[in-house]
Amino acid sequence: AQSVTQLDSHVSVSEGTPVLLRCNYSSSYSPSLFWYVQHPNKGLQLLLKYTSAATLVKGINGFEAEFKKSETSFHLTKPSAHMSDAAEYFCVVNHPSGNMLTFGGGTRLMVNP
Amino acid sequence: EAQVTQNPRYLITVTGKKLTVTCSQNMNHEYMSWYRQDPGLGLRQIYYSMNVEVTDKGDVPEGYKVSRKEKRNFPLILESPSPNQTSLYFCASSFTPSLSGANVLTFGAGSRLTVL
Repeated sequence: AQSVTQLDSHVSVSEGTPVLLRCNYSSSYSPSLFWYVQHPNKGLQLLLKYTSAATLVKGINGFEAEFKKSETSFHLTKPSAHMSDAAEYFCVVNHPSGNMLTFGGGTRLMVNP
Repeated sequence: EAQVTQNPRYLITVTGKKLTVTCSQNMNHEYMSWYRQDPGLGLRQIYYSMNVEVTDKGDVPEGYKVSRKEKRNFPLILESPSPNQTSLYFCASSFTPSLSGANVLTFGAGSRLTVL
């Protein structure tokens, strides 16, 4: 079985300040992990993925995530928030077969001017 | 342009009136999947298909049917919709999941369904 917990349903930051969106997972095997972003009235877009290579993963638009097996975490960070980063973010764990994906409940990021 | 196309994008219907949400992809992807998105619950998988004529239940299949007669199309069928199926639905596709299990999905824009 696998599960994903996004620890904050809403995060609010000021433009130019760091972003931290937290994700913890539970899995009985070595998972693949993803972050997707959903802008208003849009489908989901892949930000980055972890597939058992480097533990620090770089994605699009300056986002990064670090896989920490000991903490079962995959937190998403960005050094400096931009207004265009305002969106909902989903952490996703993938069963090794690739068939079943489990999504976290989502974190809505708000960026204040 | 490579994309996943869903129709309709918005639909209001009444309890019990059969409806179909179509999904089509132009990327020759083997894998296709349907999700519903509800506030605070993220996306939950309804059904998925590894290839033509191969479909499997996801986490919340009750009340839904799917078919995969052609590689590009994966319609979602609600035989007798009920108000608890009011939701935002997403179709997604990908190439066959890699040996690492990394299944990178391309999502459609979503279909907002309201059942009265």
